[in-house]
Amino acid sequence: AQSVTQPDIHITVSEGASLELRCNYSYGATPYLFWYVQSPGQGLQLLLKYFSGDTLVQGIKGFEAEFKRSQSSFNLRKPSVHWSDAAEYFCAVGYTGRRALTFGSGTRLQVQP
Amino acid sequence: DTEVTQTPKHLVMGMTNKKSLKCEQHMGHRAMYWYKQKAKKPPELMFVYSYEKLSINESVPSRFSPECPNSSLLNLHLHALQPEDSALYLCASSRPGQGEETQYFGPGTRLLVL
Repeated sequence: AQSVTQPDIHITVSEGASLELRCNYSYGATPYLFWYVQSPGQGLQLLLKYFSGDTLVQGIKGFEAEFKRSQSSFNLRKPSVHWSDAAEYFCAVGYTGRRALTFGSGTRLQVQP
Repeated sequence: DTEVTQTPKHLVMGMTNKKSLKCEQHMGHRAMYWYKQKAKKPPELMFVYSYEKLSINESVPSRFSPECPNSSLLNLHLHALQPEDSALYLCASSRPGQGEETQYFGPGTRLLVL
């Protein structure tokens, strides 16, 4: 069965510092990969997605992610974090033929002033 | 426009009540989803409708009854819920049939069962 691992439950960074959130998946075929962000009590907002092609994808709010097939990873990065980036971040995996997404357990990001 | 709307935003109900959650999208998407999300957990898939037909039911108790009256609307009817059903209920939609589907989520309905 496919699975998604976000090894960091909680990360704290200072405002202006760089950020990397980790995501690893296990699945035989090439998955579709997503990062979503969720502010407290809100729905999920799509940050970016990877289906095929260029392995470095750009998203909204200055985020980017890189698909590394050899490492089964899809890590999310941002060069300079803003206080408004504090939220819960979910990595999700999908694949052709099944509508359901498999979500990681999430990483809560705190931003220190 | 990638907007999915959900009403109500908040709902409090007793265990004997009957209520409904509503979800709407006007993006022409033909797949719609209900997810349940408990605090500090990822969303868990409940139901999937594809072209207005139920295609996935993730063994959800019968006290949750989904309905897709047309391609833009998705309802979730609630009856005789338990306190453990208190959660954030998220609706999502996607454009099926192209292999690469992106799900867009609504803001959710916060449900409290007393």
